[in-house]
Amino acid sequence: SQQGEEDPQALSIQEGENATMNCSYKTSINNLQWYRQNSGRGLVHLILIRSNEREKHSGRLRVTLDTSKKSSSLLITASRAADTASYFCATGSSNTGKLIFGQGTTLQVKP
Amino acid sequence: EPEVTQTPSHQVTQMGQEVILRCVPISNHLYFYWYRQILGQKVEFLVSFYNNEISEKSEIFDDQFSVERPDGSNFTLKIRSTKLEDSAMYFCASSPTSGANEQFFGPGTRLTVL
Repeated sequence: SQQGEEDPQALSIQEGENATMNCSYKTSINNLQWYRQNSGRGLVHLILIRSNEREKHSGRLRVTLDTSKKSSSLLITASRAADTASYFCATGSSNTGKLIFGQGTTLQVKP
Repeated sequence: EPEVTQTPSHQVTQMGQEVILRCVPISNHLYFYWYRQILGQKVEFLVSFYNNEISEKSEIFDDQFSVERPDGSNFTLKIRSTKLEDSAMYFCASSPTSGANEQFFGPGTRLTVL
């Protein structure tokens, strides 16, 4: 079984539309994080939500967490062409900081 | 803005050779990590390091791998005898406080084993 599975695997939208990506996980967690990766580049941290939080906002990003369903969603509102990237959820379960990443969602925003 | 740096950006080596991948974490960070990403696959945790010792390692991190913080700034990953399947992008990350916080990733080193 896989920890941190995102869907959809790929998403293509027009600029200005909203993009929603989902992540499911299997074990209990301390926190869930979303990262962005532009093609061939490193990972950029977007937002962290703790297991006792249900929703968090940061600019155009909105993250929800449902620990009863072991799922999270990332909403990017009013998307821009520059949002084109891969988005990964990552779960943190231990105090050592180990993150378990999902397969990612590839988002394409067409101008 | 401080950032994690990694060198080299691309390393090509022959199978069986030793490689050392270098990272300079953000200066006041205390927790350090290595991850790898095989082309087209998910990012995989290799090892976490705190207070000059490994705090957790994955099954991938076998005795061919080692990490070291040789001085106050560098954090290295050594692969003793590289295999073809070690070809991947290797990311270093650091975190200021305990593992329950965001990690700052470097740009990665692309390792190609021939």
